[in-house]
Amino acid sequence: DTEVTQTPKHLVMGMTNKKSLKCEQHMGHRAMYWYKQKAKKPPELMFVYSYEKLSINESVPSRFSPECPNSSLLNLHLHALQPEDSALYLCASSQGDRVTGELFFGEGSRLTVL
Amino acid sequence: TQLLEQSPQFLSIQEGENLTVYCNSSSVFSSLQWYRQEPGEGPVLLVTVVTGGEVKKLKRLTFQFGDARKDSSLHITAAQPGDTGLYLCAGVYSGSGNTGKLIFGQGTTLQVKP
Repeated sequence: DTEVTQTPKHLVMGMTNKKSLKCEQHMGHRAMYWYKQKAKKPPELMFVYSYEKLSINESVPSRFSPECPNSSLLNLHLHALQPEDSALYLCASSQGDRVTGELFFGEGSRLTVL
Repeated sequence: TQLLEQSPQFLSIQEGENLTVYCNSSSVFSSLQWYRQEPGEGPVLLVTVVTGGEVKKLKRLTFQFGDARKDSSLHITAAQPGDTGLYLCAGVYSGSGNTGKLIFGQGTTLQVKP
Protein backbone atom coordinates (compact mmCIF):
# COMPACT_ATOMS: atom_id res chain seq x y z
CA ASP A 1 0.00 0.00 0.00
CA THR A 2 1.28 3.46 -0.92
CA GLU A 3 1.85 5.91 1.91
CA VAL A 4 1.00 8.83 -0.35
CA THR A 5 -2.75 9.03 -0.85
CA GLN A 6 -4.33 10.84 -3.77
CA THR A 7 -7.98 11.66 -4.36
CA PRO A 8 -9.90 11.33 -6.54
CA LYS A 9 -8.50 8.41 -8.55
CA HIS A 10 -10.49 9.48 -11.60
CA LEU A 11 -11.85 12.88 -12.56
CA VAL A 12 -13.77 13.99 -15.63
CA MET A 13 -14.32 17.71 -16.07
CA GLY A 14 -15.41 20.19 -18.65
CA MET A 15 -13.30 23.10 -19.77
CA THR A 16 -15.27 25.58 -17.66
CA ASN A 17 -15.25 23.56 -14.44
CA LYS A 18 -13.25 24.17 -11.28
CA LYS A 19 -11.97 21.09 -9.47
CA SER A 20 -9.18 20.12 -7.09
CA LEU A 21 -6.83 17.20 -6.70
CA LYS A 22 -5.73 16.28 -3.20
CA CYS A 23 -2.67 14.55 -1.83
CA GLU A 24 -1.75 13.49 1.70
CA GLN A 25 1.32 11.90 3.26
CA HIS A 26 2.13 11.05 6.87
CA MET A 27 5.77 10.03 6.52
CA GLY A 28 7.06 13.33 7.88
CA HIS A 29 8.50 14.24 4.50
CA ARG A 30 9.22 17.93 4.00
CA ALA A 31 9.15 18.10 0.20
CA MET A 32 6.06 17.45 -1.91
CA TYR A 33 5.68 17.41 -5.67
CA TRP A 34 3.13 17.48 -8.48
CA TYR A 35 3.97 15.64 -11.68
CA LYS A 36 2.04 15.25 -14.92
CA GLN A 37 2.39 12.02 -16.88
CA LYS A 38 1.21 11.04 -20.34
CA ALA A 39 0.91 7.38 -21.35
CA LYS A 40 4.23 5.48 -21.55
CA LYS A 41 6.19 8.68 -20.90
CA PRO A 42 8.18 9.74 -17.84
CA PRO A 43 6.59 12.03 -15.26
CA GLU A 44 7.06 15.77 -15.94
CA LEU A 45 7.70 17.95 -12.93
CA MET A 46 5.16 20.73 -12.36
CA PHE A 47 5.66 22.07 -8.84
CA VAL A 48 7.80 21.45 -5.77
CA TYR A 49 7.01 22.54 -2.22
CA SER A 50 9.82 22.46 0.28
CA TYR A 51 8.96 23.07 3.94
CA GLU A 52 5.51 24.25 2.81
CA LYS A 53 6.90 26.92 0.50
CA LEU A 54 6.72 26.77 -3.28
CA SER A 55 10.32 26.28 -4.39
CA ILE A 56 9.94 25.21 -8.03
CA ASN A 57 7.32 26.11 -10.65
CA GLU A 58 8.27 24.57 -13.98
CA SER A 59 6.56 27.34 -16.00
CA VAL A 60 3.17 25.69 -15.53
CA PRO A 61 0.14 27.57 -16.96
CA SER A 62 -1.84 29.53 -14.38
CA ARG A 63 -4.90 27.31 -14.91
CA PHE A 64 -3.04 24.95 -12.53
CA SER A 65 -2.74 26.40 -9.04
CA PRO A 66 -0.93 24.49 -6.26
CA GLU A 67 -1.53 24.89 -2.57
CA CYS A 68 0.22 23.40 0.46
CA PRO A 69 -2.01 23.95 3.54
CA ASN A 70 0.41 22.11 5.85
CA SER A 71 3.36 19.73 5.74
CA SER A 72 1.13 16.70 5.11
CA LEU A 73 -1.24 18.05 2.48
CA LEU A 74 -0.86 19.21 -1.10
CA ASN A 75 -3.63 20.37 -3.40
CA LEU A 76 -3.76 21.15 -7.10
CA HIS A 77 -6.59 23.49 -8.11
CA LEU A 78 -7.78 23.18 -11.69
CA HIS A 79 -9.66 25.82 -13.66
CA ALA A 80 -10.42 26.34 -17.34
CA LEU A 81 -8.40 23.34 -18.43
CA GLN A 82 -7.87 22.24 -22.01
CA PRO A 83 -8.34 18.72 -23.45
CA GLU A 84 -4.55 18.42 -23.80
CA ASP A 85 -4.32 18.66 -20.02
CA SER A 86 -5.82 15.18 -19.79
CA ALA A 87 -3.20 13.01 -18.10
CA LEU A 88 -2.25 11.13 -14.95
CA TYR A 89 -1.37 13.60 -12.19
CA LEU A 90 1.04 12.19 -9.66
CA CYS A 91 1.81 13.50 -6.21
CA ALA A 92 5.08 12.55 -4.58
CA SER A 93 6.96 13.28 -1.41
CA SER A 94 10.56 13.05 -0.28
CA GLN A 95 12.64 13.80 2.76
CA GLY A 96 14.19 16.65 0.79
CA ASP A 97 17.51 14.89 1.10
CA ARG A 98 20.00 16.58 -1.18
CA VAL A 99 21.90 13.46 -2.23
CA THR A 100 19.33 10.82 -2.99
CA GLY A 101 16.09 12.70 -3.73
CA GLU A 102 14.11 9.45 -3.46
CA LEU A 103 10.48 9.99 -4.32
CA PHE A 104 7.45 8.21 -2.93
CA PHE A 105 4.59 8.47 -5.37
CA GLY A 106 0.87 8.20 -4.91
CA GLU A 107 -1.23 6.12 -7.28
CA GLY A 108 -2.20 9.20 -9.25
CA SER A 109 -5.38 10.97 -10.30
CA ARG A 110 -6.47 10.20 -13.85
CA LEU A 111 -7.86 13.44 -15.29
CA THR A 112 -9.97 13.67 -18.44
CA VAL A 113 -10.89 17.11 -19.77
CA LEU A 114 -13.81 17.14 -22.20
CA THR B 1 20.51 20.75 -20.89
CA GLN B 2 20.97 17.73 -18.68
CA LEU B 3 19.78 14.58 -20.42
CA LEU B 4 19.37 11.01 -19.29
CA GLU B 5 19.31 8.63 -22.23
CA GLN B 6 17.43 5.43 -21.48
CA SER B 7 17.35 2.46 -23.85
CA PRO B 8 15.61 0.58 -25.22
CA GLN B 9 12.30 2.46 -25.12
CA PHE B 10 10.22 -0.66 -25.80
CA LEU B 11 10.96 -4.31 -25.16
CA SER B 12 8.73 -7.33 -25.71
CA ILE B 13 10.15 -10.68 -24.65
CA GLN B 14 9.08 -14.20 -23.71
CA GLU B 15 8.91 -15.43 -20.15
CA GLY B 16 12.28 -16.81 -19.05
CA GLU B 17 14.43 -14.52 -21.18
CA ASN B 18 17.02 -12.12 -19.78
CA LEU B 19 17.16 -8.41 -20.54
CA THR B 20 19.16 -5.29 -19.78
CA VAL B 21 18.02 -1.67 -19.71
CA TYR B 22 20.57 1.13 -19.93
CA CYS B 23 20.66 4.67 -18.62
CA ASN B 24 23.43 7.02 -19.81
CA SER B 25 24.44 10.63 -19.38
CA SER B 26 27.40 12.87 -20.09
CA SER B 27 27.09 14.35 -16.59
CA VAL B 28 27.95 12.95 -13.17
CA PHE B 29 25.16 11.92 -10.81
CA SER B 30 25.06 12.33 -7.05
CA SER B 31 22.70 9.36 -7.05
CA LEU B 32 20.55 7.38 -9.42
CA GLN B 33 17.28 5.59 -8.87
CA TRP B 34 15.24 2.99 -10.69
CA TYR B 35 11.45 2.95 -10.53
CA ARG B 36 8.86 0.52 -11.87
CA GLN B 37 5.36 1.65 -12.76
CA GLU B 38 2.51 -0.75 -13.42
CA PRO B 39 -0.54 0.34 -15.43
CA GLY B 40 -2.88 2.53 -13.39
CA GLU B 41 -0.37 2.96 -10.57
CA GLY B 42 2.29 5.45 -9.57
CA PRO B 43 6.01 4.67 -9.92
CA VAL B 44 7.51 2.60 -7.13
CA LEU B 45 11.13 3.00 -6.10
CA LEU B 46 13.15 -0.17 -6.68
CA VAL B 47 16.66 0.91 -5.75
CA THR B 48 18.99 3.86 -5.22
CA VAL B 49 22.69 3.71 -6.12
CA VAL B 50 25.11 6.28 -4.82
CA THR B 51 28.66 4.92 -5.07
CA GLY B 52 30.52 4.51 -8.36
CA GLY B 53 30.85 0.82 -9.28
CA GLU B 54 28.07 -0.16 -6.89
CA VAL B 55 26.05 -3.32 -7.64
CA LYS B 56 22.74 -4.02 -5.94
CA LYS B 57 20.51 -7.06 -6.28
CA LEU B 58 16.78 -7.32 -5.73
CA LYS B 59 15.75 -10.95 -6.32
CA ARG B 60 16.12 -11.40 -10.12
CA LEU B 61 16.98 -7.73 -10.71
CA THR B 62 20.60 -6.52 -10.72
CA PHE B 63 21.40 -2.82 -10.73
CA GLN B 64 24.82 -1.42 -11.54
CA PHE B 65 26.18 2.11 -11.22
CA GLY B 66 29.09 3.02 -13.50
CA ASP B 67 32.49 3.74 -11.99
CA ALA B 68 32.32 7.37 -13.15
CA ARG B 69 28.69 7.72 -11.94
CA LYS B 70 27.51 8.70 -15.44
CA ASP B 71 25.62 5.54 -16.34
CA SER B 72 23.60 2.70 -14.86
CA SER B 73 22.04 -0.56 -15.95
CA LEU B 74 19.21 -2.81 -14.85
CA HIS B 75 19.46 -6.50 -15.66
CA ILE B 76 16.52 -8.86 -15.21
CA THR B 77 17.18 -12.60 -15.17
CA ALA B 78 14.47 -15.06 -16.24
CA ALA B 79 11.80 -12.40 -16.76
CA GLN B 80 8.26 -13.17 -15.65
CA PRO B 81 4.91 -11.66 -16.73
CA GLY B 82 4.78 -9.88 -13.37
CA ASP B 83 7.84 -7.85 -14.45
CA THR B 84 5.73 -6.13 -17.10
CA GLY B 85 5.62 -2.36 -16.66
CA LEU B 86 7.33 0.95 -17.31
CA TYR B 87 10.87 1.14 -15.95
CA LEU B 88 12.25 4.59 -15.23
CA CYS B 89 15.73 5.67 -14.30
CA ALA B 90 16.08 9.00 -12.56
CA GLY B 91 19.18 10.86 -11.48
CA VAL B 92 20.13 13.67 -9.17
CA TYR B 93 22.97 15.59 -10.76
CA SER B 94 25.90 16.80 -8.73
CA GLY B 95 25.23 20.38 -7.75
CA SER B 96 21.41 20.09 -7.64
CA GLY B 97 19.57 22.13 -5.06
CA ASN B 98 18.24 20.88 -1.75
CA THR B 99 14.93 19.81 -3.28
CA GLY B 100 16.74 16.90 -4.92
CA LYS B 101 15.19 17.61 -8.33
CA LEU B 102 15.24 14.44 -10.36
CA ILE B 103 15.93 14.12 -14.06
CA PHE B 104 14.01 11.18 -15.55
CA GLY B 105 15.01 9.02 -18.46
CA GLN B 106 12.49 8.46 -21.25
CA GLY B 107 11.40 5.13 -19.75
CA THR B 108 11.44 1.54 -20.97
CA THR B 109 8.11 -0.19 -21.54
CA LEU B 110 8.65 -3.89 -20.87
CA GLN B 111 6.17 -6.57 -21.87
CA VAL B 112 6.86 -10.14 -20.78
CA LYS B 113 4.67 -12.67 -22.56
CA PRO B 114 3.74 -15.97 -20.88
